[in-house]
Amino acid sequence: AQKVTQAQTEISVVEKEDVTLDCVYETRDTTYYLFWYKQPPSGELVFLIRRNSFDEQNEISGRYSWNFQKSTSSFNFTITASQVVDSAVYFCALSEGVDYKLSFGAGTTVTVRA
Amino acid sequence: KAGVTQTPRYLIKTRGQQVTLSCSPISGHRSVSWYQQTPGQGLQFLFEYFSETQRNKGNFPGRFSGRQFSNSRSEMNVSTLELGDSALYLCASSIFGRNEQFFGPGTRLTVL
Repeated sequence: AQKVTQAQTEISVVEKEDVTLDCVYETRDTTYYLFWYKQPPSGELVFLIRRNSFDEQNEISGRYSWNFQKSTSSFNFTITASQVVDSAVYFCALSEGVDYKLSFGAGTTVTVRA
Repeated sequence: KAGVTQTPRYLIKTRGQQVTLSCSPISGHRSVSWYQQTPGQGLQFLFEYFSETQRNKGNFPGRFSGRQFSNSRSEMNVSTLELGDSALYLCASSIFGRNEQFFGPGTRLTVL
């Protein structure tokens, strides 16, 4: 069964628009971690954020913000005032318990047009 | 601090051959994980090593193997290559006690 679902395959926006990426996860563990990674065309996965299951506080980091809601098993990611450099594939991932194994979603391709 | 390095970056092999990929983690990181990325299957976990011991293994055939050395460097080996093994192989490292993983640039393997 898919543990992480990213329903949006592709999103295309014009520069300065906001972009919200959806992520829904599934786990039976009470302790788990959620992650967002960015994969630019160069191919390297860039770590953006980690959240544990006991910390539902939302976070803002510059133009990035994350909304974690355990009640709906969602961990959504918003890019505010998007820029062309934000164009990449974004992956949501889950690790369970003390496991380091990451289960990734299928990814959402974000294209920001000038 | 230098990031995760992987060698080689690109590799072309033919069916039936074997291949060894290398990964050097970030200095001080003792956990190394490997992932396979393909257009059809996405990102899939291969295995994870810590202190030279395999701690976790994904659902891949026995043709895929790995090891970790005392300096935390890791290698993965794929024997009897198949066309479907063509993929980007990503290595990631983590510091002890924290599970955020930092990825290398990957090795792109093409099997002809």
